[in-house]
Amino acid sequence: DTAVSQTPKYLVTQMGNDKSIKCEQNLGHDTMYWYKQDSKKFLKIMFSYNNKELIINETVPNRFSPKSPDKAHLNLHINSLELGDSAVYFCASSPFRDRRNSPLHFGNGTRLTVT
Amino acid sequence: AQTVTQSQPEMSVQEAETVTLSCTYDTSESDYYLFWYKQPPSRQMILVIRQEAYKQQNATENRFSVNFQKAAKSFSLKISDSQLGDAAMYFCAYRRGQGGKLIFGQGTELSVKP
Repeated sequence: DTAVSQTPKYLVTQMGNDKSIKCEQNLGHDTMYWYKQDSKKFLKIMFSYNNKELIINETVPNRFSPKSPDKAHLNLHINSLELGDSAVYFCASSPFRDRRNSPLHFGNGTRLTVT
Repeated sequence: AQTVTQSQPEMSVQEAETVTLSCTYDTSESDYYLFWYKQPPSRQMILVIRQEAYKQQNATENRFSVNFQKAAKSFSLKISDSQLGDAAMYFCAYRRGQGGKLIFGQGTELSVKP
């Protein structure tokens, strides 16, 4: 009965490769997010989708492309991976209508290591 | 732009004692929400407590309570009767009233000594 699930949990790949991280939530939320946690543990928003529509797009290299096939899924595709992309990527979700006080529900993160 | 600052990178507390983690934020909004999240070594992000800015009463959740000082833009977390399982990274976070992204502080690494 996992609420927000991400796959894979760990991802090790070489520079220049393309990889995807998948996220699914079964909470009935209609807003989903991608956050990046760097080596100093700082968490920064990357993208947010509401009902498959992109609503937040922070300054992220265009090698990163989110895709939301439906409101329960938000995937992150990364092209031409670089060493600096190594981080933990978190997916999160929240309801839109009650979003004023709604906390974000996070997945367990995907640790991406680029060698 | 809104910012959140946690000035204590690391804190330590003896088991069963009380510890307070500091957080300040900067915003020109009057309607917003504040949260504390806990991240243990397992990497999970766990909501500890939340506070609505329009409420004067400080939020409390069992051993966790906040001291919300709106005028000073301060939102500290007090952990009473600390337990070994409280050892984790703690993040303060801000969200404006119209919704949108959660903005995090830099985090405070809390260790609990037996």
